[in-house]
Amino acid sequence: AQSVTQLDSHVSVSEGTPVLLRCNYSSSYSPSLFWYVQHPNKGLQLLLKYTSAATLVKGINGFEAEFKKSETSFHLTKPSAHMSDAAEYFCVVSDPPGTYKYIFGTGTRLKVLA
Amino acid sequence: ETGVTQSPTHLIKTRGQQVTLRCSSQSGHNTVSWYQQALGQGPQFIFQYYREEENGRGNFPPRFSGLQFPNYSSELNVNALELDDSALYLCASSLNSGAYEQYFGPGTRLTVT
Repeated sequence: AQSVTQLDSHVSVSEGTPVLLRCNYSSSYSPSLFWYVQHPNKGLQLLLKYTSAATLVKGINGFEAEFKKSETSFHLTKPSAHMSDAAEYFCVVSDPPGTYKYIFGTGTRLKVLA
Repeated sequence: ETGVTQSPTHLIKTRGQQVTLRCSSQSGHNTVSWYQQALGQGPQFIFQYYREEENGRGNFPPRFSGLQFPNYSSELNVNALELDDSALYLCASSLNSGAYEQYFGPGTRLTVT
């Protein structure tokens, strides 16, 4: 079975500094991986996806993630945090890959300090 | 293009009652999935409907049931509500059952007292 582990439940950064949200996955296949963001009282929004093409995936709002098979990781990064980035972030794997059932991580709450 | 919409926004029910939640999929999408998100947790997959048929189910009891209509909108029904059913219920639509991306609605917040 596929699974993802988000290594930090809370991350705090200062505005303008880099963001790193960590995610490790477990998969017996080549996985389909996603990052979603959830702002308060809003639905989940897709930031980016990895589907066995380029290992460095660029998403919306300046976010990107790198798929590292040797480390079974799919960490989310952004060079410079903005106040509007404060939200809950979820790492997701589809099980089986390329199908409908999403397995969510437990989430990382990002706080951006002025 | 209209996104995924859900109704109602909030709902309060009493233990033992039944509830129906509704979802309209994004235009052109024929697949709808439902997720339960308890407070402080990630969403859990309930089931998916593809062209009006159930197309996969998570670890939820039979009192969680659903429907998909010819226009691809969907309902989630929960019978015999329990306190632990209190959660945010999210609907997501996709272009087909094998599509990579799912597009989520804002959710329905259900409180069971």
